[in-house]
Amino acid sequence: QQQVKQSPQSLIVQKGGISIINCAYENTAFDYFPWYQQFPGKGPALLIAIRPDVSEKKEGRFTISFNKSAKQFSLHIMDSQPGDSATYFCAASGNFNKFYFGSGTKLNVKP
Amino acid sequence: SQTIHQWPATLVQPVGSPLSLECTVEGTSNPNLYWYRQAAGRGLQLLFYSVGIGQISSEVPQNLSASRPQDRQFILSSKKLLLSDSGFYLCAWSPRRYSPLHFGNGTRLTVT
Repeated sequence: QQQVKQSPQSLIVQKGGISIINCAYENTAFDYFPWYQQFPGKGPALLIAIRPDVSEKKEGRFTISFNKSAKQFSLHIMDSQPGDSATYFCAASGNFNKFYFGSGTKLNVKP
Repeated sequence: SQTIHQWPATLVQPVGSPLSLECTVEGTSNPNLYWYRQAAGRGLQLLFYSVGIGQISSEVPQNLSASRPQDRQFILSSKKLLLSDSGFYLCAWSPRRYSPLHFGNGTRLTVT
């Protein structure tokens, strides 16, 4: 059973546009939601993370929006750049600090 | 600063051979340690999780096992590899709850 569902599977955005990736979860015990960026052949690297006591967190061009009642959260990448082309993963963790990941979104930013 | 080392970077092994992948973390003590597997174009599947020496939690019944002989050392093993064990194996650590995972650079395993 997939703990975290992520969409879309792939995304093409023009340079300067907004990239939006969505995730949903069922387990209400989850209380920490990080997003990761992965380049080919590398391990994922943390982008930004949020806890459910806030509805939005912004760091530079990256924003997480969190809807606790809907059990959904999303990543917005503003002013998307070709260097942002990578695979993005959402994740969720709870009581035992086990992290469960979405299936990933491959982002391609066209110049 | 903390660093995580994972080796080897790539590995090609025949079906039925044993496996040992090692991961070590420097610059911290008593970290939570994790093994994940990533199939080609897929998400990350949690395989094993450890909160301390000798304490291993298995997420998915399979052909693999894990051990934590020292505080900052995590080993992934198999007695006999299957073709389905091919994938990208990632070790990660986290200092505490509400802290993110920090990943190594992974091992690309191909079972032939």
